Amino acid sequence: DTAVSQTPKYLVTQMGNDKSIKCEQNLGHDTMYWYKQDSKKFLKIMFSYNNKELIINETVPNRFSPKSPDKAHLNLHINSLELGDSAVYFCASSQHGTGGTGELFFGEGSRLTVL
Amino acid sequence: AQSVAQPEDQVNVAEGNPLTVKCTYSVSGNPYLFWYVQYPNRGLQFLLKYITGDNLVKGSYGFEAEFNKSQTSFHLKKPSALVSDSALYFCAVRDPASSNTGKLIFGQGTTLQVKP
Repeated sequence: DTAVSQTPKYLVTQMGNDKSIKCEQNLGHDTMYWYKQDSKKFLKIMFSYNNKELIINETVPNRFSPKSPDKAHLNLHINSLELGDSAVYFCASSQHGTGGTGELFFGEGSRLTVL
Repeated sequence: AQSVAQPEDQVNVAEGNPLTVKCTYSVSGNPYLFWYVQYPNRGLQFLLKYITGDNLVKGSYGFEAEFNKSQTSFHLKKPSALVSDSALYFCAVRDPASSNTGKLIFGQGTTLQVKP
């Protein structure tokens, strides 16, 4: 069974459209994240949720809106897509109860291409 | 502010030779340090971490890393490289002061190329 699963794996869309990426983890973790990996492979955190509560919101345009219906799911909705949004988006999870020493478990990524 | 640097974009080694992928960090307190590996078109996989204790940490696939506080380094090593080790390697740091957020800061990544 996949520990952290994201859908879709690939997403090709036109500028101006709205799209969503879904993420689910079956590890029982209480913290989930969205990271963005750009074309140079640089990874940057976007959001983090702990038990459905937003705890990290980096300087991300408000066109990006995360939603966590429960602690096993963290979805990412993007409005009015721009060319610069093209990237690979990774979902991850960790167990916070380890005092922040727990490693992150990553999904396989969702490659978004905006035309 | 916490940061991590991987000074080499690419490291080339011959199969069977030892490998080192370098990482230096900057945090205000005692760091939590991590190494991850990313194979093409895949997610990141955890290799090893240093939290406290022995400076030499052993991880998955025969990798190990040495924490050096005076040099603020956490270099990844393997005694004998395999062609299958070829991948993109990321060093990451978590500032204990922000451990309640779980936030990891990643280096820019180093591509390891192991040639037969």
